[in-house]
Order: sequence, then C-alpha cells, then structure tokens
Amino acid sequence: EAGVVQSPRYKIIEKKQPVAFWCNPISGHNTLYWYRQNLGQGPELLIRYENEEAVDDSQLPKDRFSAERLKGVDSTLKIQPAELGDSAVYLCASSLVLASGTYEQYFGPGTRLTVT
Amino acid sequence: GIQVEQSPPDLILQEGANSTLRCNFSDSVNNLQWFHQNPWGQLINLFYIPSGTKQNGRLSATTVATERYSLLYISSSQTTDSGVYFCAVPPNTGGFKTIFGAGTRLFVKA
Repeated sequence: EAGVVQSPRYKIIEKKQPVAFWCNPISGHNTLYWYRQNLGQGPELLIRYENEEAVDDSQLPKDRFSAERLKGVDSTLKIQPAELGDSAVYLCASSLVLASGTYEQYFGPGTRLTVT
Repeated sequence: GIQVEQSPPDLILQEGANSTLRCNFSDSVNNLQWFHQNPWGQLINLFYIPSGTKQNGRLSATTVATERYSLLYISSSQTTDSGVYFCAVPPNTGGFKTIFGAGTRLFVKA
C-alpha cells in the first residue's frame, strides 16, 4: 500500500514569492491534515480536512496561507507571499476516521521550505 | 488546552542498552500515538495505543489512560533507533486536532 505522497521534497524561494505544496493521501483515508514543523519542535496542525471540507483551520494564518482539497482526495497548501519565518517542514498526514472516533495518522515525508 | 510533556528531552545510549521514554498528558484522551522521526525527517508510526500494552519487536508501549501517561520501551537499542520520538494526543474536548509533545531526542552510539 502506498503511503502519503508529498511534493516537492525541498523548496528554496525568496521572500515575497509564492509557493505551493502538494499531498496525495493514502487511498481511502477520509481525513487529511497539514502540519508545520519548526526546527527542534513537534509538528503543529495548520488545517484538517474531512473529505473535502475544512473542519479545523483555526491555526492557519489566513492572510497568507490557503489550502484546498478538491474532490476529497489530493490537497494543496499555498503560501503567498512567503516570509522568512515560514521556513519550516510542511507535513501532510492522513487517517481513516471511524464512527467510534478512533483514528491513526500516517505522515508523508514532508516538504522542507527555505525562505531567503 | 491539553498539555503533553515528554521526558527525558535528550537521551544518549550505548548500543545494546535499554531505555524508557515517558509521555504525560494533562487531560484524559481516547487516542494516543507514538512516532519515531528519523534523521531524514520522516515520521514513522510506532504505536497507536489509547490504552493497554502493545509490543512490536524490540519496542513496546504502555498507556495508563486513567493516570494520564504512556511509556515507550526500547530494548537492545541500535544505532538506527536514533532520532526523535514523539507522542501525540487529541484533546478530550473532541475533534481530531492532535497535540504533539516536544519529543525525546535519542542518540545511540555504536
């Protein structure tokens, strides 16, 4: 079974430029998550999708970040314009959320963003 | 919100040694996962363990939900065990926002 796929793996951009990250979750997983991980810290949730609906985006900086999950499968996270403080690893995860509330998250390899 | 504390923050082991990593959480939970982040940054699922004990090879984990802690045991450590170990829990208020601890950084010396 294929895992969570992310691209690109690395991205270097200048500040004020736009950037986009792509994620393909594990087949059949109804829930998709985007996390940001700063150096030396644990991942922090940016947004969670249940199918195509964003159900928790409270920590997404909406002035410059946007995300979409068309058709409830692939997802794209965009930053425009990027700032120096956006340098981090952006992780995508997916899970199959059961009616019982149980779930297990699986992570992709991440995209390491460097803003210069 | 829920607080997740991991200890120790850093750990250096000689290859072959055993260790115990701890995760304390401030509220009751119905989900808990342990992850290993390897030196290349990949987060690897170790255990999904909201309660009870599980074992997988040299690794085992125990969660005592009523006392709000989980333990990860690593036996006969190998250099490939190096990396950061995270526990992650959702708040008991519901929803699926996962809170990660700060991690335990493990280095196993050959």
